Amino acid sequence: DTEVTQTPKHLVMGMTNKKSLKCEQHMGHRAMYWYKQKAKKPPELMFVYSYEKLSINESVPSRFSPECPNSSLLNLHLHALQPEDSALYLCASSRYTSEVKRTDTQYFGPGTRLTVL
Amino acid sequence: ELKVEQNPLFLSMQEGKNYTIYCNYSTTSDRLYWYRQDPGKSLESLFVLLSNGAVKQEGRLMASLDTKARLSTLHITAAVHDLSATYFCAVFSGSGNTGKLIFGQGTTLQVKP
Repeated sequence: DTEVTQTPKHLVMGMTNKKSLKCEQHMGHRAMYWYKQKAKKPPELMFVYSYEKLSINESVPSRFSPECPNSSLLNLHLHALQPEDSALYLCASSRYTSEVKRTDTQYFGPGTRLTVL
Repeated sequence: ELKVEQNPLFLSMQEGKNYTIYCNYSTTSDRLYWYRQDPGKSLESLFVLLSNGAVKQEGRLMASLDTKARLSTLHITAAVHDLSATYFCAVFSGSGNTGKLIFGQGTTLQVKP
């Protein structure tokens, strides 16, 4: 099973709302990622969690707050977003191979289409 | 900083024809990935290339890697409409748990009957 699930599929929120995106995988992967993708652009990395610890924050504004409650779950908490934050938010996960801390292919979830009004 | 460039960015081709997408990257890396994305959908992993001279094939798609030239190619043989999608190459930058994928701009492939 190489499935990463994301909820919700679509989200419309106002600039004063607080919402959360959820990502789940049951492949035993210990690296999990959040990406943002605008139309006709490649995915942009936002955050990386490695063994449930935040290892990369790509200078993302504080209105995006990631959380990794356990090895299977990854959340992205949203607060006071701007219309330019409207995008497809992708979660991905990968395993560490037998080589020291070398990660394998990233498997992407279906994404959450976020619209900020 | 590692940069990844794909060309062409858009490719319109007829069914049955062959074509190649190129992916150049600026600094040494030990792995390269190809992904496919259908409109409005997520990314699907196609190939992982780990060493110089690596070649992988799946159906009408064949990917290769030349680490000395810092070049990967995705060759399409006898294109069919189902191959219409955007194709991204991505190169791994860094190491361990501070490494990350750097994506090319993507090549949108349109296969016409």
